[in-house]
Amino acid sequence: DARVTQTPRHKVTEMGQEVTMRCQPILGHNTVFWYRQTMMQGLELLAYFRNRAPLDDSGMPKDRFSAEMPDATLATLKIQPSEPRDSAVYFCASGSGMTTFNYGYTFGSGTRLTVV
Amino acid sequence: RKEVEQDPGPFNVPEGATVAFNCTYSNSASQSFFWYRQDCRKEPKLLMSVYSSGNEDGRFTAQLNRASQYISLLIRDSKLSDSATYLCVVAPTDKLTFGTGTRLAVRP
Repeated sequence: DARVTQTPRHKVTEMGQEVTMRCQPILGHNTVFWYRQTMMQGLELLAYFRNRAPLDDSGMPKDRFSAEMPDATLATLKIQPSEPRDSAVYFCASGSGMTTFNYGYTFGSGTRLTVV
Repeated sequence: RKEVEQDPGPFNVPEGATVAFNCTYSNSASQSFFWYRQDCRKEPKLLMSVYSSGNEDGRFTAQLNRASQYISLLIRDSKLSDSATYLCVVAPTDKLTFGTGTRLAVRP
C-alpha cells in the first residue's frame, strides 16, 4: 500500500524553539497539503502545493510558519518560534489530479506537537 | 456560512441500529464528494466516494442530492467498531473541503 510518511510522529519542545515537520508524499502525487487539527477547530488547511509550487498558504500564520517543497519527495512545515498555542496534530496529505476527484487524498499518520 | 456543514453529534446508538448523517455544502460547483472516517488519535481515511446515483458498500450507503446540495451517509446494523468521527468532504477543485465531522458512538 502506498503511504504518506510523516516524521517525527511525536514532538515535545519548549516555547521559542524551532520545529520542523517532514512529509514524504506518495510517489507520483503532485498535490501536497498541510493540515492542523485541534479538538476545538477540526481540520484547518495551512498550506497547499501543486507540482511543488505553493498555491494557498492563507491559513498559515505567516510570521512564524513556513512551508516548502524542496523536491517532489519532501515537504516541510517549519514553526519558528513555537508557542504553546501551536500544540496540535499536523497532518500532511497528498493527491494527484484525477485521482483526487475519484479517491480524495491520502493522509499521513500526523505529527503530534506539544509546545511547553 | 461554512462551506461544509455537519451536525457534530455525538450520535449515541446501540449495536445493530441504523444511523444516518447529513451534510450540506455551499459551493454548487463541487465536483466530487466523499465520506472520510477518523478514529481517535488517527488520521482521516477515505470511507467511500459519493456518486450522483447513490452508492452502497456493505452496510454503508451514501446519497447525493445536487439540487439541495446535500450529502448523506447511512450505516445499517451498527457495530462497535463503527465508533469514530465521520467527515463530509466536497471537492470544488483538487483542494478538498472538510466538514468538522459527526461523532458516532456505538454502545453494546
